[in-house]
Amino acid sequence: DIQMTQSPSSLSASVGDRVTITCQASQDISNYLNWYQQKPGKAPKLLIYDASNLETGVPSRFSGSGSGTDFTFTISSLQPEDIATYYCQQYDNLPGYTFGQGTKLEIK
Amino acid sequence: EVQLVETGGGLIQPGGSLRLSCAASGFTVSSNYMSWVRQAPGKGLEWVSVIYSGGSTYYADSVKGRFTISRDNSKNTLYLQMNSLRAEDTAVYYCARVGGLVATYFDYWGQGTLVTVSS
Repeated sequence: DIQMTQSPSSLSASVGDRVTITCQASQDISNYLNWYQQKPGKAPKLLIYDASNLETGVPSRFSGSGSGTDFTFTISSLQPEDIATYYCQQYDNLPGYTFGQGTKLEIK
Repeated sequence: EVQLVETGGGLIQPGGSLRLSCAASGFTVSSNYMSWVRQAPGKGLEWVSVIYSGGSTYYADSVKGRFTISRDNSKNTLYLQMNSLRAEDTAVYYCARVGGLVATYFDYWGQGTLVTVSS
């Protein structure tokens, strides 16, 4: 099974800061890496799919990059409404879907 | 507008059974890959099962042999039959549509339904 290592597990940043979260796969997953935002008590929301594609309606301050085993999720300028937990998720053709452990983002 | 509405959660004793439903609108369940994802209280997300448009089904090892995913095309509804429930199955269960050319991500989610397994 492919393992996903997401870091950091928590992060505190100020409004306007650039925020970066990373996700590492235990083997090559091409660009099958996606990012979700989950606010308390709500369902996850897809932000980035296939490593770098912005889902329709998602603000452009969110971006993703990477391929193979190493991936990065970035918020270019943190806004108060971005407080949430963020998850990466990979697909393998077993088939299976694996989520990272999550990153809880807080305002400093 | 795409919408997914889960029902059927509740309190169930260990060893019991429960069936979750996910009513879809705005798209056709049978033409898409559909999945269940769960989240234990205070924990992360865990994929549970997927059903392909062609009818093939797949499960996480943690539920294989105990859970069954299915759909009713006439009702445009997805189901998850859960048998031999354990305390560790306690979670919010989300249904989700699987998107992408090779079905690699979850593009629409329901609001979730809570299943609590406890005596």
